[in-house]
Amino acid sequence: GAVVSQHPSRVICKSGTSVKIECRSLDFQATTMFWYRQFPKKSLMLMATSNEGSKATYEQGVEKDKFLINHASLTLSTLTVTSAHPEDSSFYICSVGGRMVGEQFFGPGTRLTVL
Amino acid sequence: ELKVEQNPLFLSMQEGKNYTIYCNYSTTSDRLYWYRQDPGKSLESLFVLLSNGAVKQEGRLMASLDTKARLSTLHITAAVHDLSATYFCAVEETSGSRLTFGEGTQLTVNP
Repeated sequence: GAVVSQHPSRVICKSGTSVKIECRSLDFQATTMFWYRQFPKKSLMLMATSNEGSKATYEQGVEKDKFLINHASLTLSTLTVTSAHPEDSSFYICSVGGRMVGEQFFGPGTRLTVL
Repeated sequence: ELKVEQNPLFLSMQEGKNYTIYCNYSTTSDRLYWYRQDPGKSLESLFVLLSNGAVKQEGRLMASLDTKARLSTLHITAAVHDLSATYFCAVEETSGSRLTFGEGTQLTVNP
């Protein structure tokens, strides 16, 4: 299956700063990537669908100006949390759809802590 | 809006016992996935169920899908401590679309 990496794996930042998280599909050209957020002891919630070469599709309630997504190539999507606040602290996971029906591969996740 | 519900949310069981986790969903779909998540880690794919009546087994875990009842089950046979984790089901409404996850079932297998 596809190998998906995320960078960084863990980041701590001060309130008000911006943080960029990278999601890379290492062996597969992904036209679509998904970004999820998971709060402690909770389920995964889809934030947005990242489409290569076009604007991301955001889920209801997710601020597109706060969570900037760029999918500039078939192997890289980035999520930038702008002006981060403590309530943005969460585990952010990206996923990539595979070639076969039903395949979806998840990255290892990025734990963001905003102080 | 698609809703996915898991039952139970917390499960504590003894080694050697059997148990079933249930996943109900609210709209028509024939694509359902089961994942495992260990603390602090991302998701590990367990099963992909793509048709009514699909049954898949891997080790002590067996998953099934009944699209008419909008129900999937994850059956655990003779549980061992290593199975302790959180298990999520997720439903895909249409091919290639996003996944909607259940709340997760936190399984603890006690010696």
